[in-house]
Amino acid sequence: KAGVTQTPRYLIKTRGQQVTLSCSPISGHRSVSWYQQTPGQGLQFLFEYFSETQRNKGNFPGRFSGRQFSNSRSEMNVSTLELGDSALYLCASSGNRELRNNEQFFGPGTRLTVL
Amino acid sequence: GQNIDQPTEMTATEGAIVQINCTYQTSGFNGLFWYQQHAGEAPTFLSYNVLDGLEEKGRFSSFLSRSKGYSYLLLKELQMKDSASYLCAVMDSNYQLIWGAGTKLIIKP
Repeated sequence: KAGVTQTPRYLIKTRGQQVTLSCSPISGHRSVSWYQQTPGQGLQFLFEYFSETQRNKGNFPGRFSGRQFSNSRSEMNVSTLELGDSALYLCASSGNRELRNNEQFFGPGTRLTVL
Repeated sequence: GQNIDQPTEMTATEGAIVQINCTYQTSGFNGLFWYQQHAGEAPTFLSYNVLDGLEEKGRFSSFLSRSKGYSYLLLKELQMKDSASYLCAVMDSNYQLIWGAGTKLIIKP
């Protein structure tokens, strides 16, 4: 079956602008998580959506928001972009929350550059 | 606070064995994951440990000691394609994954 897809793959924006990233999970997966990855920082958890509800949230400012649609597709929005928001944004999907089946499948990411 | 520590970089020789350590301090524990990430690519799942002990999967094994807050990933018969970053992540009591910064493994011929 098709993997996790993310669009766009690359994005260049300027400070102060806003951006929306999209993620389509693996068919049948209901959980979508978003991460920010920067060199040396590892993956930083942004939020997780499950059945259109935000189930978990990381320690990011309110400029970072997201939502999930009834078909499990998810979008992430960043408003008033700052230079420090330049990063790889990864989306991951998983089927459920059972302990032994929590493997997350990652999309290829969106590389965001803020100038 | 929650913390995952792993070495920043390691070097090993093709055909050899390497052990990548991970120590953690988290609010609760619902399992530890290892992922592999090649440069410019998405992370891919390697292993999951929730009970103490060793889980073996081909050339890769993962060990967990919950009492010590410690895990390692053991890679045997190293191949050049194993050059990648290896990410350790712990699922806390809120089912949130806490990630280490990753260990960049360099394999030399």
